[in-house]
Amino acid sequence: KNQVEQSPQSLIILEGKNCTLQCNYTVSPFSNLRWYKQDTGRGPVSLTIMTFSENTKSNGRYTATLDADTKQSSLHITASQLSDSASYICVVSYNNNDMRFGAGTRLTVKP
Amino acid sequence: EPEVTQTPSHQVTQMGQEVILRCVPISNHLYFYWYRQILGQKVEFLVSFYNNEISEKSEIFDDQFSVERPDGSNFTLKIRSTKLEDSAMYFCASYPQGSDTEAFFGQGTRLTVV
Repeated sequence: KNQVEQSPQSLIILEGKNCTLQCNYTVSPFSNLRWYKQDTGRGPVSLTIMTFSENTKSNGRYTATLDADTKQSSLHITASQLSDSASYICVVSYNNNDMRFGAGTRLTVKP
Repeated sequence: EPEVTQTPSHQVTQMGQEVILRCVPISNHLYFYWYRQILGQKVEFLVSFYNNEISEKSEIFDDQFSVERPDGSNFTLKIRSTKLEDSAMYFCASYPQGSDTEAFFGQGTRLTVV
């Protein structure tokens, strides 16, 4: 069954600290993996998109990694800011166009 | 920057009524999706649409739901005879041809069924 599991479910960190969010998937055949940021009541906004051959990709303070062998991905946030408080969603595409969403990690950055 | 536009932003309807949620995808995109997110839960796939027909639908997308692209720009989701459990945020997304291209989401329509 095509599933995407994220951990932790929620996370609280202090402003300026780093954190890492995890995503494990069983989706097959794999096309790509995306990380989205979703503010409360808003649509998801793309952070990174990674294909099978990519191990790491950065977007500013966000760095995503992908291990296609173990079917794991992580999103590392460096020097967190208050505006990073949001849900971070891992989305895995398969069969070229279909996407499965993880439940998200709710990140709260406190001053 | 091009964006996906959804209307209305909030819709309140009585149980049993029909609603139509509207989306204007980015103009040169070919793949269109509807998702829903019940409050506090994860985003759930409803349906994907390509080349003027449904390419895949989830078990949620039963006979109560339908989609169409009536005029080549708007992409609509119709819910017939709404139920209380249909209350959710409904997101439209589009992306260009190709599996490794970016998907863009609208800001969502909050549907409240009373």
